[in-house]
Amino acid sequence: GAGVSQTPSNKVTEKGKYVELRCDPISGHTALYWYRQSLGQGPEFLIYFQGTGAADDSGLPNDRFFAVRPEGSVSTLKIQRTERGDSAVYLCASSPLGGGSYNEQFFGPGTRLTVL
Amino acid sequence: ELKVEQNPLFLSMQEGKNYTIYCNYSTTSDRLYWYRQDPGKSLESLFVLLSNGAVKQEGRLMASLDTKARLSTLHITAAVHDLSATYFCAVDGSGSRLTFGEGTQLTVNP
Repeated sequence: GAGVSQTPSNKVTEKGKYVELRCDPISGHTALYWYRQSLGQGPEFLIYFQGTGAADDSGLPNDRFFAVRPEGSVSTLKIQRTERGDSAVYLCASSPLGGGSYNEQFFGPGTRLTVL
Repeated sequence: ELKVEQNPLFLSMQEGKNYTIYCNYSTTSDRLYWYRQDPGKSLESLFVLLSNGAVKQEGRLMASLDTKARLSTLHITAAVHDLSATYFCAVDGSGSRLTFGEGTQLTVNP
């Protein structure tokens, strides 16, 4: 079946602009995660959704970052007033259950964000 | 705060040789995952380790978990060039988020 998909694959924007990154999880997966990976580093957790609600948003770096998952499927990560330091690959993952259960996460291809 | 450390961070080895990558973590967990990442690509799940003493093998790779020592190992047997990639361990410390190590960049030379 289809894996996790993310769009766009690449996004170049100017400092101060607003961007939206989209994630389509594996069908039927209730848990969805966003991570950010800087060059040469491991992914860092941003936010976790269980269904429609954000169960843990403690990884969001500041209030310029916001994510939604209104119908419990597709999620959008929104970044306001982008800064050059936001440049990274943004990874989305989904898992069947999450929340303390066996939690193998399946990752999408990522969106490479470049802020000029 | 959960910390995950991998070593070595860079590993250059010859084809046919054996080596081990180590993953240490700082708080109690019995769920650990190994992922592979090729340049410019996303993360591919390799192993899921869910209990103390768990051992999983796939081809030339074998992963193990010692929850008492808070240590996982990824052993490479008779390396081949196709294994060249970056390998990450990730620990599930809270039932949701994964905390990743820095990654081990493996290069297998002919």
